[in-house]
Amino acid sequence: SQTIHQWPATLVQPVGSPLSLECTVEGTSNPNLYWYRQAAGRGLQLLFYSVGIGQISSEVPQNLSASRPQDRQFILSSKKLLLSDSGFYLCAWTRRDGSYEQYFGPGTRLTVT
Amino acid sequence: TQLLEQSPQFLSIQEGENLTVYCNSSSVFSSLQWYRQEPGEGPVLLVTVVTGGEVKKLKRLTFQFGDARKDSSLHITAAQPGDTGLYLCAGVTDSWGKLQFGAGTQVVVTP
Repeated sequence: SQTIHQWPATLVQPVGSPLSLECTVEGTSNPNLYWYRQAAGRGLQLLFYSVGIGQISSEVPQNLSASRPQDRQFILSSKKLLLSDSGFYLCAWTRRDGSYEQYFGPGTRLTVT
Repeated sequence: TQLLEQSPQFLSIQEGENLTVYCNSSSVFSSLQWYRQEPGEGPVLLVTVVTGGEVKKLKRLTFQFGDARKDSSLHITAAQPGDTGLYLCAGVTDSWGKLQFGAGTQVVVTP
C-alpha cells in the first residue's frame, strides 16, 4: 500500500529564517506531487506541482520554492520566511492513471513569529 | 481561472438531521471530487464524479454531478457526530491533475 509522509508536523520559526519541509511517498513510483497551503478552516491553494524529478511548476509567485531531488521526494523551501508564510502546508500525490485522485499527507503546521 | 463556490460556509445541525452542501462553478470540469478533512489532518478523498448527471452513494452520503458538469452537491442523511468536518469540493482543471478547490463547508453535527 502507498503512504505519504511529511515532516516536521509542526514548526515555529522567526521571520527571516530559512525553511525546509519534506514530503516522501512510499509504495508507488513516478507519482505527480503537489504542495498546497491552507488558511485556517478554508480551502487549499496550490503552490507547486511536479510531474518528474527536477520538474517543478509554480502556481503562485511568492517567497517559496520547491524541489524534487528524487522520484518520491518533494521539498518546500524558503530562504527568508515572512509572517504571511504561516499556515498549514499539505503535500499530495496522484497516480498517472487519469483518475487525478489526490492522496494527502498529514500536513505541517508552520507558525512564523 | 476556474472558480468553485461552496455553500453554505458553515452548517451546524443536530444528530439525525439531513444536510446538503453545494459546489457551483461557471466552468465545466472533466470530473469533480469531494474530500473531508478533520482538524490538523490532510483531506481524505470521499468520491469522484465524472459523468454529467451521475449520482454516487457512499453509505449515508449521496453525491450528484450536475448535467452540465458545472456543479455538484453532497447530501448527508441522518447525520452523525462522526460526519463533523470540513467538506471540500475540487474540480480537475487539466491533464496534469491539478485541482481547483472550493473554500470548504464546515459541518458540525452535535449529539
